[in-house]
Amino acid sequence: GAGVSQSPSNKVTEKGKDVELRCDPISGHTALYWYRQSLGQGLEFLIYFQGNSAPDKSGLPSDRFSAERTGGSVSTLTIQRTQQEDSAVYLCASSAAGTGFYPAEQYFGPGTRLTVT
Amino acid sequence: AQSVAQPEDQVNVAEGNPLTVKCTYSVSGNPYLFWYVQYPNRGLQFLLKYITGDNLVKGSYGFEAEFNKSQTSFHLKKPSALVSDSALYFCAVRDMSPGPGGSYIPTFGRGTSLIVHP
Repeated sequence: GAGVSQSPSNKVTEKGKDVELRCDPISGHTALYWYRQSLGQGLEFLIYFQGNSAPDKSGLPSDRFSAERTGGSVSTLTIQRTQQEDSAVYLCASSAAGTGFYPAEQYFGPGTRLTVT
Repeated sequence: AQSVAQPEDQVNVAEGNPLTVKCTYSVSGNPYLFWYVQYPNRGLQFLLKYITGDNLVKGSYGFEAEFNKSQTSFHLKKPSALVSDSALYFCAVRDMSPGPGGSYIPTFGRGTSLIVHP
């Protein structure tokens, strides 16, 4: 069956430009997560959606970062005025259940590699 | 607060030998624990999880992990390593009852690179 998909797979942008990263979760998954993976830094949590609302956006590193989710499905992570330190792999994951009780495993997309020049 | 540590950046093992990838955790109450694997240029894949019950958890690709509450550990093991097991392995933890101000989001370790030599 279809897994989590992300687009684009690679994005090279100039410093100061805005970028949009897209995530298509597994159909029916109510929870959606964004992470950032930098070399040697592990996974850095950015934001979590339950349905269309974001009860936890504590990981967004600055107000240049925002995300939305529509229709309980597709999510877009937007980075405004990109900086070189934003270069990383951005991973999206979805899970079948909310995180309130049953800790369902997460299914990850292949990621978007963002390079800011 | 919850945290997880993977004390080894890299583990080297010969094919056919047993492997262990270490993980220790810290939570306020009881933990939910997960292992994920990341192959090159791929997203993370779920391997196994501990929720409750039997301390020995069996997962995909012949991997297993043992929950040890007294040592706050959840080490990943496999009796006989394959070259194809070479990948980046992540441990994650979530407090079963985060409480006020706590997080329901699993915390991931920094990852351990497993290299299996032919």
